[in-house]
Amino acid sequence: TQLLEQSPQFLSIQEGENLTVYCNSSSVFSSLQWYRQEPGEGPVLLVTVVTGGEVKKLKRLTFQFGDARKDSSLHITAAQPGDTGLYLCAGDAPLGGTSYGKLTFGQGTILTVHP
Amino acid sequence: NAGVTQTPKFQVLKTGQSMTLQCAQDMNHNSMYWYRQDPGMGLRLIYYSASEGTTDKGEVPNGYNVSRLNKREFSLRLESAAPSQTSVYFCASSEFFTADNYGYTFGSGTRLTVV
Repeated sequence: TQLLEQSPQFLSIQEGENLTVYCNSSSVFSSLQWYRQEPGEGPVLLVTVVTGGEVKKLKRLTFQFGDARKDSSLHITAAQPGDTGLYLCAGDAPLGGTSYGKLTFGQGTILTVHP
Repeated sequence: NAGVTQTPKFQVLKTGQSMTLQCAQDMNHNSMYWYRQDPGMGLRLIYYSASEGTTDKGEVPNGYNVSRLNKREFSLRLESAAPSQTSVYFCASSEFFTADNYGYTFGSGTRLTVV
């Protein structure tokens, strides 16, 4: 069983602050995705990272995939109240693995941004 | 709007009752999944269907059955509901791995309470 550990579990910050959420594992993933979920809704895909060391930017959000493809981080610059939500990382198995195509999810980080 | 549609959105069952959760996607995706989400535990895979005509167990399949009715529809059945099955259930779909944009599209969930 592949495990993804997210930290922190809870994050409460003021508008304008920066933050980083971490997603770590002892397993290697062929890809890693980040999702954002709002109350009463399903998770929505933010980004997929595939290559070790890859960095992707989505407006104020920066995503990084570790060189060894075992970990990832999400950095938000100048957080806004609209960023509030549950952030989930999810990993796919290495190519050729029997679980290929099935995602393993971290337990999530609940972010609250206060005005 | 294109996406994944789940019904019902809310359901209360008595212990021992049965019910079927319905899921349909209109994106012509090959793969479909059922997850459950519990506080502090992230999303756990119940069953998945890699393609039409195939289904397989995920991490927590006990107490559930599935049917991939056609390419669009994937249903989840609880034969004899138990309080431990109180959860939020999400259906998701995906295309085969295509690198950059790979990820799941989720439905909005079914909130199930078993009393």
